[in-house]
Amino acid sequence: ELKVEQNPLFLSMQEGKNYTIYCNYSTTSDRLYWYRQDPGKSLESLFVLLSNGAVKQEGRLMASLDTKARLSTLHITAAVHDLSATYFCAVDMEAQGGSEKLVFGKGTKLTVNP
Amino acid sequence: DAGVIQSPRHEVTEMGQEVTLRCKPISGHDYLFWYRQTMMRGLELLIYFNNNVPIDDSGMPEDRFSAKMPNASFSTLKIQPSEPRDSAVYFCASSPRMFDTDTQYFGPGTRLTVL
Repeated sequence: ELKVEQNPLFLSMQEGKNYTIYCNYSTTSDRLYWYRQDPGKSLESLFVLLSNGAVKQEGRLMASLDTKARLSTLHITAAVHDLSATYFCAVDMEAQGGSEKLVFGKGTKLTVNP
Repeated sequence: DAGVIQSPRHEVTEMGQEVTLRCKPISGHDYLFWYRQTMMRGLELLIYFNNNVPIDDSGMPEDRFSAKMPNASFSTLKIQPSEPRDSAVYFCASSPRMFDTDTQYFGPGTRLTVL
């Protein structure tokens, strides 16, 4: 069974600082997704990483994928309060009957303090 | 496009009652997914459809849960009878292809409370 582990689960940081969220998964997969969820809101797609070595950047967020290490990182540069949210990674896995599905990590709740 | 539409947004019911959640996917999307989110278990896939056909229902908790997709623009998730442990936020999501480069688009969710 595929396991997707994020760490840390809770992150409190000051504005202007840098930090990295880690997403480890237990079986081979070439596709990994990052989502953002604001309190009481739905999930919003941030990044889609489709191959080993993929790197995507949007504003102060940069995501990368190392399929050999089964690891993805979400790096935050010079954090601002608006980045406060819960961040999820999700990995696709083969399911019953040859189908596929996404398995989500538990999420990292990020709080950026002034 | 209006995005994925879910109704109701909030539902409060008593244990034993039937609950029906509704979803309208984005037009042209072939895949529709139902997820449940709780603090304890996180985000779990319940079932998904491809072209209105259920593909994987291994995440459906038990026989009290059922899902249908009678046409490309409508799906329901029914719980009968409901129990307090079913309290959660239920999300519907759709995508044009399986694991498309744009991944899945989530609806606003239905917050279900079973008393």
